[in-house]
Amino acid sequence: EDQVTQSPEALRLQEGESSSLNCSYTVSGLRGLFWYRQDPGKGPEFLFTLYSAGEEKEKERLKATLTKKESFLHITAPKPEDSATYLCAVQVRGGSEKLVFGKGTKLTVNP
Amino acid sequence: GAVVSQHPSRVICKSGTSVKIECRSLDFQATTMFWYRQFPKQSLMLMATSNEGSKATYEQGVEKDKFLINHASLTLSTLTVTSAHPEDSSFYICSAPRGRVGYTFGSGTRLTVV
Repeated sequence: EDQVTQSPEALRLQEGESSSLNCSYTVSGLRGLFWYRQDPGKGPEFLFTLYSAGEEKEKERLKATLTKKESFLHITAPKPEDSATYLCAVQVRGGSEKLVFGKGTKLTVNP
Repeated sequence: GAVVSQHPSRVICKSGTSVKIECRSLDFQATTMFWYRQFPKQSLMLMATSNEGSKATYEQGVEKDKFLINHASLTLSTLTVTSAHPEDSSFYICSAPRGRVGYTFGSGTRLTVV
């Protein structure tokens, strides 16, 4: 069964304190791994798509990396406005276009 | 960019009544729409996949007679929760696949059944 596990469940950082979120996955074949940001009461907002091991993508203070077993979302010098739940999802090769989501990491950045 | 408009954002209904949730793709044609449900502190769980002009595909354990999905046009997909009960209270989100740029999500509907 395809599974996505995110850790930690919750993370509290001080403004400027860099850290990383982890997403480990077990799938029959990876077509793509997606990172989303979700604010309370809203739908997920697209951040990155990664397709192959070794791939990296950056956007402002965020950087996503991918290995054959996991992905990391690195947050450099976070600001309070980065507070949100970060979701990881995988799309399986050979299947439909549906995504399998992890439970997310709730990030809180204190000023 | 691609936008999926979801309405209503919040709805409170009495137990036993039905509620319809709409998702419209505003600037693109969505041949497929995914419907998710999200409980507090839980992940998004796929309920069903709707395809324009054909029957929806439901995930295991999802009652197709309770959660009616219609995808009558390339820009509109609807989810109707029939005979709603308090345990159906949840956050419902639709999503349209957009290829390599990811999936565009609606803003979600908070359903409360009293």
